[in-house]
Amino acid sequence: AQSVSQHNHHVILSEAASLELGCNYSYGGTVNLFWYVQYPGQHLQLLLKYFSGDPLVKGIKGFEAEFIKSKFSFNLRKPSVQWSDTAEYFCAVLRGGNMLTFGGGTRLMVKP
Amino acid sequence: NAGVTQTPKFQVLKTGQSMTLQCAQDMNHNSMYWYRQDPGMGLRLIYYSASEGTTDKGEVPNGYNVSRLNKREFSLRLESAAPSQTSVYFCASSAYNRESVYGYTFGSGTRLTVV
Repeated sequence: AQSVSQHNHHVILSEAASLELGCNYSYGGTVNLFWYVQYPGQHLQLLLKYFSGDPLVKGIKGFEAEFIKSKFSFNLRKPSVQWSDTAEYFCAVLRGGNMLTFGGGTRLMVKP
Repeated sequence: NAGVTQTPKFQVLKTGQSMTLQCAQDMNHNSMYWYRQDPGMGLRLIYYSASEGTTDKGEVPNGYNVSRLNKREFSLRLESAAPSQTSVYFCASSAYNRESVYGYTFGSGTRLTVV
């Protein structure tokens, strides 16, 4: 079983709709959390990261994520999506050392 | 531009053929990684190198070998390609310091098809 779970495999939204992508992890102890985005035909780029402090993290392009320790979750949100947000989104967990474990990804399609 | 460079970008192999994927980074990062990306499975770690001179197995190492040639270069070799190794392969590097907050930099990927 995957240690990082993204339950939404495909999401289709219209422009201006709000977005929330789920991410849950199964590790105990201290974890560091990331969201990456992969635009069509491109490599992964970092959207945002959480290490400590304020559990609400703001990233690039209007994205934010909230770390809820009690729920082992790090959900990604955006109030109003744009067509250009069409991409695949990956949640990742860093635990011990500097190795990332990725979730299975969520493909987001935004209809203009 | 600084970053991670992978070659080749595309490759088609016949079952049983061998090949080496090349990766180089010019950011003076200590750690380098090879991942494969398959639909619905995210990225899975094949091998990694925490520092020059060391390599370790990741989640899916079978059928692969790696060489950390120097600090810049980390190659991935398929000795006898199988159709199950059809995938997109990504190399990444990272600096192990809190200022960069363990950010990974990814290469642009190699799309490998084994027929």
